[in-house]
Amino acid sequence: EDQVTQSPEALRLQEGESSSLNCSYTVSGLRGLFWYRQDPGKGPEFLFTLYSAGEEKEKERLKATLTKKESFLHITAPKPEDSATYLCAVQSLEGSARQLTFGSGTQLTVLP
Amino acid sequence: GAVVSQHPSRVICKSGTSVKIECRSLDFQATTMFWYRQFPKKSLMLMATSNEGSKATYEQGVEKDKFLINHASLTLSTLTVTSAHPEDSSFYICSARVAPWGEQYFGPGTRLTVT
Repeated sequence: EDQVTQSPEALRLQEGESSSLNCSYTVSGLRGLFWYRQDPGKGPEFLFTLYSAGEEKEKERLKATLTKKESFLHITAPKPEDSATYLCAVQSLEGSARQLTFGSGTQLTVLP
Repeated sequence: GAVVSQHPSRVICKSGTSVKIECRSLDFQATTMFWYRQFPKKSLMLMATSNEGSKATYEQGVEKDKFLINHASLTLSTLTVTSAHPEDSSFYICSARVAPWGEQYFGPGTRLTVT
């Protein structure tokens, strides 16, 4: 069974204080690892897809990296508008549904 | 990125009535659509997967007779909560995928409150 564990559950940062969110996973054949951002009362917003170990992707202040066991979402010099819950999900090569398995998320608060 | 819409965004209904939620992919054709439920401060729980023109596949523990899913076209899926009860109150989110291995895009969600 695919499993995704995100840490920490909650993170409070001062504006400009860089940090990283962790997503550990176990999957029987990784097709892709996905990062989403979710604001309160909204649906998740797609950020990145990573397919293989060593891959990195960047978008503004965010950079996602992937190893064979985990992914990190690095936030550089965050701003208050980066406050949200960040969700990680994996898609397995096995199974016909090819559905995503989500972690429980990291709630990020960036204080001005 | 691709856009997925949901309607309504909020709905309040009385216990025992049914409510329908629509999910549309606006600028792409979705081979597969998903319905999720999310409880406060919790992650997304997959309820069912639907492919256009075929019956939905429900996750274990999800009552198919209570949560009716219709995927009539490549751009529209509906979720009908039948005989709603207060415990069905939740945040329902749909998602659509362009291709079997493509990115999955989410709608803005529907807040259902059953009184």
